[in-house]
Amino acid sequence: EPEVTQTPSHQVTQMGQEVILRCVPISNHLYFYWYRQILGQKVEFLVSFYNNEISEKSEIFDDQFSVERPDGSNFTLKIRSTKLEDSAMYFCASRMGLSNQPQHFGDGTRLSIL
Amino acid sequence: AQSVTQLDSQVPVFEEAPVELRCNYSSSVSVYLFWYVQYPNQGLQLLLKYLSGSTLVKGINGFEAEFNKSQTSFHLRKPSVHISDTAEYFCAVSPISGSARQLTFGSGTQLTVLP
Repeated sequence: EPEVTQTPSHQVTQMGQEVILRCVPISNHLYFYWYRQILGQKVEFLVSFYNNEISEKSEIFDDQFSVERPDGSNFTLKIRSTKLEDSAMYFCASRMGLSNQPQHFGDGTRLSIL
Repeated sequence: AQSVTQLDSQVPVFEEAPVELRCNYSSSVSVYLFWYVQYPNQGLQLLLKYLSGSTLVKGINGFEAEFNKSQTSFHLRKPSVHISDTAEYFCAVSPISGSARQLTFGSGTQLTVLP
């Protein structure tokens, strides 16, 4: 069964550094998402992406964050200048174009900011 | 806006016993409802979904859930649990309208099945 893959599984970065989290969504999916889960807290929506542009974003997704689909397969989340509070598990998800299809999630990237 | 409340943060249960994980939601618009499961060090796996039609939906691994519109609930049940069901379970909703369909999650319920 096709799956969403995320790399790396664990990323350790110094505060203030830029970090890029990578995702390969399922190949025939059209909608892409990033979520995050701070340790002990809820899974929170960050951003959705469709047709090469952001379709929705949450209050968390400020100017420090950006997303990109640089080619036909990858979907990336960039944090420009990381803060300690960016430490979390980041999940990528994708969904087919049909409105009632569920989102499929990757295994996540654990981001640790030192 | 939507919100999801999972009333129990931890549910311990003995093997082969029945279990119910509770979920209530609030939304100003119509929503789809989902249960996801997260095993240790893994991502979120879809257990089941309610889109429309019959209010009792069956999912993988013997789980089922019942949608109750009047009580805005979507409780997850399994008649007999196994050790391998030990995991974190998340209830989630997404709006029916709009293209993004972003998920709003509850805070999760840790199910621990005891031998």
